[in-house]
Amino acid sequence: GAVVSQHPSWVICKSGTSVKIECRSLDFQATTMFWYRQFPKQSLMLMATSNEGSKATYEQGVEKDKFLINHASLTLSTLTVTSAHPEDSSFYICSAPGSGSGEQYFGPGTRLTVT
Amino acid sequence: AQRVTQPEKLLSVFKGAPVELKCNYSYSGSPELFWYVQYSRQRLQLLLRHISRESIKGFTADLNKGETSFHLKKPFAQEEDSAMYYCALKYSGTYKYIFGTGTRLKVLA
Repeated sequence: GAVVSQHPSWVICKSGTSVKIECRSLDFQATTMFWYRQFPKQSLMLMATSNEGSKATYEQGVEKDKFLINHASLTLSTLTVTSAHPEDSSFYICSAPGSGSGEQYFGPGTRLTVT
Repeated sequence: AQRVTQPEKLLSVFKGAPVELKCNYSYSGSPELFWYVQYSRQRLQLLLRHISRESIKGFTADLNKGETSFHLKKPFAQEEDSAMYYCALKYSGTYKYIFGTGTRLKVLA
């Protein structure tokens, strides 16, 4: 089946620095990918829709200048958390839709800890 | 407003007992609903989609438009069913989802 990978799986960074998270579709192409944030023991909150070759679409309340999304190819989307702060610490998950079924394939997630 | 509600955060049942995880939705369009499961330390994966009307791992879910519900059921719970279950609604014409808050199912021996 379709597989979505994320890198890194865990990252620790200092406050004020930026960190990039990659999301790849390994055996299929994805013109659209989604980025979610998941707080401990809470649901997934959609942050933005990543569109290959065009600008990302951000959900209400998500700072586009803080969470930069780039979808440079049909298999790769990146999320860069700029000027990270401790409150950005969270679990970030990406997903990509399957073809025509409505199903989404999820990455394993990236745990970000900002110290 | 579009919303997916899972009223139970935690549901504990004994092995062999029936299970029902509740999901209610609010959506102005034609709903497409899914159940996703997340086992411990694993990624989310699809369990069921309403259009398939299938049974996976003994689980079934029927879309009730009158009650705006999509409850997940299994007649006899097994320990390996212990996991986090999310109900999700897909926006029409897109692949965008709204997720419910999730229900943690614990099946006790």
